[in-house]
Amino acid sequence: ETGVTQSPTHLIKTRGQQVTLRCSSQSGHNTVSWYQQALGQGPQFIFQYYREEENGRGNFPPRFSGLQFPNYSSELNVNALELDDSALYLCASSLTVSNTEAFFGQGTRLTVV
Amino acid sequence: SQQGEEDPQALSIQEGENATMNCSYKTSINNLQWYRQNSGRGLVHLILIRSNEREKHSGRLRVTLDTSKKSSSLLITASRAADTASYFCATWRDSNYQLIWGAGTKLIIKP
Repeated sequence: ETGVTQSPTHLIKTRGQQVTLRCSSQSGHNTVSWYQQALGQGPQFIFQYYREEENGRGNFPPRFSGLQFPNYSSELNVNALELDDSALYLCASSLTVSNTEAFFGQGTRLTVV
Repeated sequence: SQQGEEDPQALSIQEGENATMNCSYKTSINNLQWYRQNSGRGLVHLILIRSNEREKHSGRLRVTLDTSKKSSSLLITASRAADTASYFCATWRDSNYQLIWGAGTKLIIKP
């Protein structure tokens, strides 16, 4: 157990809808990163938040957005869902932005139909 | 885009044998990490090797890093059925504060 929890574990949405995924970081960690993992692939970096500010972003469109709260929990929001957004979404917390060991949650499996 | 490429894509061995997985990457790095993933769930950090290190051990794991060849290997000795999982390498660069991942090696340990 890493102490990082994600909710929900599974989700089915319809194309065009919006979704919010949630992540509770490990205690004491101020940095959270979100990843998208398609079946059979490695994780793709979406973005990172450090002390409530976006600190870096991968090659994802603006309809992927996030928030980090004062208690360092975070959300990933995806608007206008597309079929290709179907994937496992992983959040990872780390002690600070320069501490590179990441502690992952169990992920949210999103299916877009 | 993914930085690393793992080889082989899949590996099936008998319990007790050693398993070796390789990872190649494209750009300079500050460190390289190996993670394990069971059944498409969360990833578990196994070991981190810094760019100025050549070899590192942790229990039954041995990792090597060759920065001149931009490659790393993960050796699991005396494999167990519980080692069945996908293994990923990820590289870290201080300049962009993100882990870049390979596509993983699926390891199956047959009892």
